[in-house]
Amino acid sequence: GDSVTQMEGPVTLSEEAFLTINCTYTATGYPSLFWYVQYPGEGLQLLLKATKADDKGSNKGFEATYRKETTSFHLEKGSVQVSDSAVYFCALSGLTGGGNKLTFGTGTQLKVEL
Amino acid sequence: GAVVSQHPSRVICKSGTSVKIECRSLDFQATTMFWYRQFPKQSLMLMATSNEGSKATYEQGVEKDKFLINHASLTLSTLTVTSAHPEDSSFYICSAYRNEKLFFGSGTQLSVL
Repeated sequence: GDSVTQMEGPVTLSEEAFLTINCTYTATGYPSLFWYVQYPGEGLQLLLKATKADDKGSNKGFEATYRKETTSFHLEKGSVQVSDSAVYFCALSGLTGGGNKLTFGTGTQLKVEL
Repeated sequence: GAVVSQHPSRVICKSGTSVKIECRSLDFQATTMFWYRQFPKQSLMLMATSNEGSKATYEQGVEKDKFLINHASLTLSTLTVTSAHPEDSSFYICSAYRNEKLFFGSGTQLSVL
């Protein structure tokens, strides 16, 4: 079945550091890929998405490129801020899921310090 | 933006008791809601799909008699963990589907003693 693997956290960075959170997936066909973010005390929010190979999703300085050849969707940001501290979830929507049934990774906690 | 409210955020109960978790869409009607759970260091796993006015659809391996889902209105779905046991301790999250987007509640941490 479909699965998502993302790097374990927590990831601790200094403000303005470069961020990469790795995400790889296993799925049949061509899934849509997502990154969700959960700030403390809040629900998961869609951060960005990509629906086909080579698409780049971007939002709030974050970006991720759909790499079919490596089945990856790594999240990057050039300069993180303290306000980016949150848990980040990689997810996919596969053939059987339609647009509303998601398979998630374990989540990666990011802590950004001054 | 659309808001989904989930209550309670944290609950501790004794083994053998039942716990109800509510999920409300505050400013929109949701015909479909989803319930997920996450055990420590594991993925967020879909438990069931809740459809207003009909029976929920459960994922493989999820006991429907243990996890009762009621979606009686377009703005409210409830998950009741019946006769809870320590192995049911987990983080439960609901989400509502609207206009091709998913909106999530903030989750409920259930601890069964």
